[in-house]
Amino acid sequence: AQTVTQSQPEMSVQEAETVTLSCTYDTSENNYYLFWYKQPPSRQMILVIRQEAYKQQNATENRFSVNFQKAAKSFSLKISDSQLGDTAMYFCAFMKHGNAGNMLTFGGGTRLMVKP
Amino acid sequence: GAGVSQSPRYKVAKRGQDVALRCDPISGHVSLFWYQQALGQGPEFLTYFQNEAQLDKSGLPSDRFFAERPEGSVSTLKIQRTQQEDSAVYLCASSLALPGGGNQPQHFGDGTRLSIL
Repeated sequence: AQTVTQSQPEMSVQEAETVTLSCTYDTSENNYYLFWYKQPPSRQMILVIRQEAYKQQNATENRFSVNFQKAAKSFSLKISDSQLGDTAMYFCAFMKHGNAGNMLTFGGGTRLMVKP
Repeated sequence: GAGVSQSPRYKVAKRGQDVALRCDPISGHVSLFWYQQALGQGPEFLTYFQNEAQLDKSGLPSDRFFAERPEGSVSTLKIQRTQQEDSAVYLCASSLALPGGGNQPQHFGDGTRLSIL
């Protein structure tokens, strides 16, 4: 079984600054996917960024980037130039590689507040 | 519609009542997942459908929980004899399954917030 741990229940950052959210995971799988999802008060889970474990290059999506350390089983999210609209819950998630029916295993979440 | 649609958005029921939650996935999405999200926690997997076949129901917490997807499109999650610990947000997600497998991103609905009094 896989476990995902987010050790920061809450974080805050000033608008336009950079913040890093931490995530560690435990698995015996060698090939898998890691995700960061954003959940605003509307409750919809929005995919922020995705990393394939066999790719060494860290994924980047505009202001969002990850630091993927496979040996350390660490997958942190960096948000640059934080905006007020980034205020939300952020969840780190793990998915096994393979067939289309693999479920997501989520961490407990980090509540991010962007202050004006 | 363009996204995953769930209804109702809010549901309040008395303990012991039966409830039914609906999920309308993105058109053409073969895979459908249900998750349960307790207050202040991350979502937890309940069950998975590939078309109309329920291939994994390992996350259903008890036999009071039942899910179906009879025509491979809309899915219903039913909870019988509800209890207070069933209070949570129930999220539905769908994904496009490609030939040969492979993992596609899951697209989530807004969820149904269920409150059991």
